[in-house]
Amino acid sequence: EAQVTQNPRYLITVTGKKLTVTCSQNMNHEYMSWYRQDPGLGLRQIYYSMNVEVTDKGDVPEGYKVSRKEKRNFPLILESPSPNQTSLYFCASSRSGVSNQPQHFGDGTRLSIL
Amino acid sequence: SQQGEEDPQALSIQEGENATMNCSYKTSINNLQWYRQNSGRGLVHLILIRSNEREKHSGRLRVTLDTSKKSSSLLITASRAADTASYFCATDARTSGSRLTFGEGTQLTVNP
Repeated sequence: EAQVTQNPRYLITVTGKKLTVTCSQNMNHEYMSWYRQDPGLGLRQIYYSMNVEVTDKGDVPEGYKVSRKEKRNFPLILESPSPNQTSLYFCASSRSGVSNQPQHFGDGTRLSIL
Repeated sequence: SQQGEEDPQALSIQEGENATMNCSYKTSINNLQWYRQNSGRGLVHLILIRSNEREKHSGRLRVTLDTSKKSSSLLITASRAADTASYFCATDARTSGSRLTFGEGTQLTVNP
């Protein structure tokens, strides 16, 4: 089954403790991206990747890192999480870019930073 | 600021009625997409309309695009309780490179 898998689905942690949210897709998609969803703000893009070893900042990249060493994986790293990063996070992928391409979303990761 | 903005923020209708949601955006686009999100779940792609298209249909969904007014509408006909969800428009602005910008969404409730 074609899917985007995020782990963990839920995480409660404390300020400053490094964490990684994994994202994996099995559709051989070139484009992957991370979004955060907050009430009243909709979805905002954090980082995106056009292909392996190619990443770029989205609208809200501060406090986050990403890497794209393999085509299928695009982890989101919070080196020193802070409470303002408490949010619902989504990973998405598409065949190539966003033009003419529907995005396939994971089921989300709900992060709470205390 | 958000490229796409949906209107209304919330809509409550009875089963069988039609639901119309609107999306406005600020800059020229390549494409506009509509997505659906069930509570707490990931977004699901519904339909994509290109900037040179004016109308598109998919099952009970009808999307229109008016590039002169920078607006789009999503019509769901003969709504069902299972259509209850949030609906988002997303634009691929010509100046934004490979980025998709989402609006804040319309929460649709279809009452049985």
